[in-house]
Amino acid sequence: DADVTQTPRNRITKTGKRIMLECSQTKGHDRMYWYRQDPGLGLRLIYYSFDVKDINKGEISDGYSVSRQAQAKFSLSLESAIPNQTALYFCATSVPGLAGATEQFFGPGTRLTVL
Amino acid sequence: AQSVTQLGSHVSVSEGALVLLRCNYSSSVPPYLFWYVQYPNQGLQLLLKYTSAATLVKGINGFEAEFKKSETSFHLTKPSAHMSDAAEYFCAVNTGGFKTIFGAGTRLFVKA
Repeated sequence: DADVTQTPRNRITKTGKRIMLECSQTKGHDRMYWYRQDPGLGLRLIYYSFDVKDINKGEISDGYSVSRQAQAKFSLSLESAIPNQTALYFCATSVPGLAGATEQFFGPGTRLTVL
Repeated sequence: AQSVTQLGSHVSVSEGALVLLRCNYSSSVPPYLFWYVQYPNQGLQLLLKYTSAATLVKGINGFEAEFKKSETSFHLTKPSAHMSDAAEYFCAVNTGGFKTIFGAGTRLFVKA
């Protein structure tokens, strides 16, 4: 099945460390997203990319960076991790279509803990 | 600006009872509305979506939702809860741009 995968699934790191979360998809979708999920806050958009050359900041991009290495790969980096970046991180994809009307397909998530 | 409010962070029902999860949205233009479900240790998956066709939308697993413009609501219902429905449910809105706004989520508990 075409899918969205994330690695690692769980990660514990220390304050100040650099960490990369990876996302790969076999759906052939051009659009990819990174979200973080915090209890009681739902999902918040960190970065999104509509194709390999188009990367945009979301609502909470401070402290994060991304790289779109190929249509199928979209990585999220924390240059210097801090404890309030402890959260569940999701990658998602979507197809272009009637703007806003297409659903997103989510990976299984990466649980990140920053000590 | 668009926003989504889900009433009740936790809802508990008995198996076989009606499920009602409430969602209200705020939007200055006609919205696209979604309900997603998240099972433990999994990503979100689409239950159903409203894209300005029929106001009553049927989704997977027996769920449906009704778009009511006058009430700015998109409540999710299922006539008879099953144990397998226990999960977290997210309402989301998009007004035609790049950004989908998600609600805070409602965790559904189903009692035997």
